[in-house]
Amino acid sequence: NAGVTQTPKFRILKIGQSMTLQCAQDMNHNYMYWYRQDPGMGLKLIYYSVGAGITDKGEVPNGYNVSRSTTEDFPLRLELAAPSQTSVYFCASSRPRTGTGQETQYFGPGTRLLVL
Amino acid sequence: AQSVTQLDSQVPVFEEAPVELRCNYSSSVSVYLFWYVQYPNQGLQLLLKYLSGSTLVKGINGFEAEFNKSQTSFHLRKPSVHISDTAEYFCAVRTQTGANNLFFGTGTRLTVIP
Repeated sequence: NAGVTQTPKFRILKIGQSMTLQCAQDMNHNYMYWYRQDPGMGLKLIYYSVGAGITDKGEVPNGYNVSRSTTEDFPLRLELAAPSQTSVYFCASSRPRTGTGQETQYFGPGTRLLVL
Repeated sequence: AQSVTQLDSQVPVFEEAPVELRCNYSSSVSVYLFWYVQYPNQGLQLLLKYLSGSTLVKGINGFEAEFNKSQTSFHLRKPSVHISDTAEYFCAVRTQTGANNLFFGTGTRLTVIP
């Protein structure tokens, strides 16, 4: 299994541009998440999904959109990039809470985004 | 709501010395507790987790943590650190019911000095 994969690894955007961060998992996990990590801060949840066709906002959803058309993929969309969105973005996945051993979130390697 | 406090943003320690990274949490409901490690330019990797049962939890790479409900703490320890342990360590909590979201602390940068 490749686990959780993210593309691209790095990206530089100009203010106002748009882009999609890709995330895929091959572990048949139902739950998927997007976090952002700012310097000196912990991870903040942007959006999450409990299954295909179901998404919900996290702590910091403004400026982002997500979709979940398949179990494997959970893309994150930035429509009008702003400097405040400069960050490292992590995708994660987990299985639903059905007994022990299901709570662990598995993380991708991250996407580093710079908005100038 | 849940919150996690990691009081030490940076912890330098000499190689082969013991280390403790502190984590305190706040929650009105029962939680699960996690420690993740992030090596430079990599994603987060699970070190260990507390779900229930014994309050002393052993994880990978010789790390262990002890859940203390009365002090709402989940400190991470290792008796003898190696250079390869240099990384960022994050404590995280999640409620046992309701949403599946993780709440992270701000992280502790462990630097092992040779």
